[in-house]
Amino acid sequence: EIVLTQSPVTLSLSPGERATLSCTASQNINTYLAWYQQKPGQAPRLLIYDASKRATGVPARFSGRGSGTDFTLTINSLEPEDLAVYYCHQRSGWPQLTFGGGTKVEIK
Amino acid sequence: QVQLVQSGADVKKPGASVRVSCKASGYTFNTAGLHWVRQAPGQRLEWMGWIATDTGDTKYSQSIQGRVSITRDISASATYMELWSLRSEDTAVYYCARDSKYDNSWYFDYWGQGTLVTVSS
Repeated sequence: EIVLTQSPVTLSLSPGERATLSCTASQNINTYLAWYQQKPGQAPRLLIYDASKRATGVPARFSGRGSGTDFTLTINSLEPEDLAVYYCHQRSGWPQLTFGGGTKVEIK
Repeated sequence: QVQLVQSGADVKKPGASVRVSCKASGYTFNTAGLHWVRQAPGQRLEWMGWIATDTGDTKYSQSIQGRVSITRDISASATYMELWSLRSEDTAVYYCARDSKYDNSWYFDYWGQGTLVTVSS
């Protein structure tokens, strides 16, 4: 099973600041990685697919990069509505799919 | 618009079984696979399994294989997840999620609202 490790566990930033979230895979997953945003009490929402492509309707302040084992989600100019837990998810290990442990983004 | 509507919350005793339904609308049901993902309180998302809605083929997580079954009813545009031999660790919100093909792979594009299953004596 491919293990995804996210860091930091919690990120506390002020509006307008940049958030950088990390996801490391236990083995090479090429670019078969997605990022999901889960707001309190809601189902997850797809933000980024194929490591770097924004899903439909996702604001341009969200960007992803990486390949192989190291991936980053960047949120430029944080807004209060970005309060959420962000999960990375790999599709390389099909049919054993896994998620990272999540990074909680708090807005000061 | 695409919607996945799940059955309501349930409370079960240890050792019992639970069945959660997920009814799809807004698209042709048997053109997209459906997954089940669960989330225990304060924990990460956990993939449980998948069903090909056209053929009925299934794949399951190795961690719960043998205790879970995913089925579908094309006429009802619905998928069902049954989990048995329930234990307290199965207390979680259970989600169904639709698979969609993006450029290089498949990802979940629509999710159900979630169903809380509580296992308690």
